[in-house]
Amino acid sequence: EAGVAQSPRYKIIEKRQSVAFWCNPISGHATLYWYQQILGQGPKLLIQFQNNGVVDDSQLPKDRFSAERLKGVDSTLKIQPAKLEDSAVYLCASSLVVSRTTDTQYFGPGTRLTVL
Amino acid sequence: QKEVEQDPGPLSVPEGAIVSLNCTYSNSAFQYFMWYRQYSRKGPELLMYTYSSGNKEDGRFTAQVDKSSKYISLFIRDSQPSDSATYLCAMTYSGGGADGLTFGKGTHLIIQP
Repeated sequence: EAGVAQSPRYKIIEKRQSVAFWCNPISGHATLYWYQQILGQGPKLLIQFQNNGVVDDSQLPKDRFSAERLKGVDSTLKIQPAKLEDSAVYLCASSLVVSRTTDTQYFGPGTRLTVL
Repeated sequence: QKEVEQDPGPLSVPEGAIVSLNCTYSNSAFQYFMWYRQYSRKGPELLMYTYSSGNKEDGRFTAQVDKSSKYISLFIRDSQPSDSATYLCAMTYSGGGADGLTFGKGTHLIIQP
């Protein structure tokens, strides 16, 4: 079974520029998450999709961050304009959501963003 | 006070030792508890998943949950250099795949050969 794919793996931009990250979840996984992991911290949920609908985006800075999941498969996370404090690893995860007591989230390798 | 507290370490132990990693949490609504392992420049991978209070064992790993004290632990027996990584505790309200996870900071573990 192929894992969660993310690209690019690394990105360096200057502040006020825009950037986009792409995620392809595990085939058949209905739920997709984007997390932000700042150096030395645990991942923080930004947004959760169920198929192509948003379930939770309460921690997404909507003035500069946006995300979409067209057709309920791939997803794109965009930052515009970027700030220095956006430097972090952006992790995508997906889950099948069959059983609450056994299901889990599978993470991709992440995209490491550096904002100069 | 953060929802989940975890000592970031680093925690350095000799090979073969028993390792104890811990998290405390403040929100009693958390019902599902997980431990993830994260190697440098990789995504987190699930190690253990528990729901009820008590112990769950899987090979060299034992997860322990005490909901009355809001305290969870991960024990690693016969630790190996390959266990060197960051260990993240995570928890959720409705099950591992149904809603977003709340993570601790992670504990950086070093197993000395």
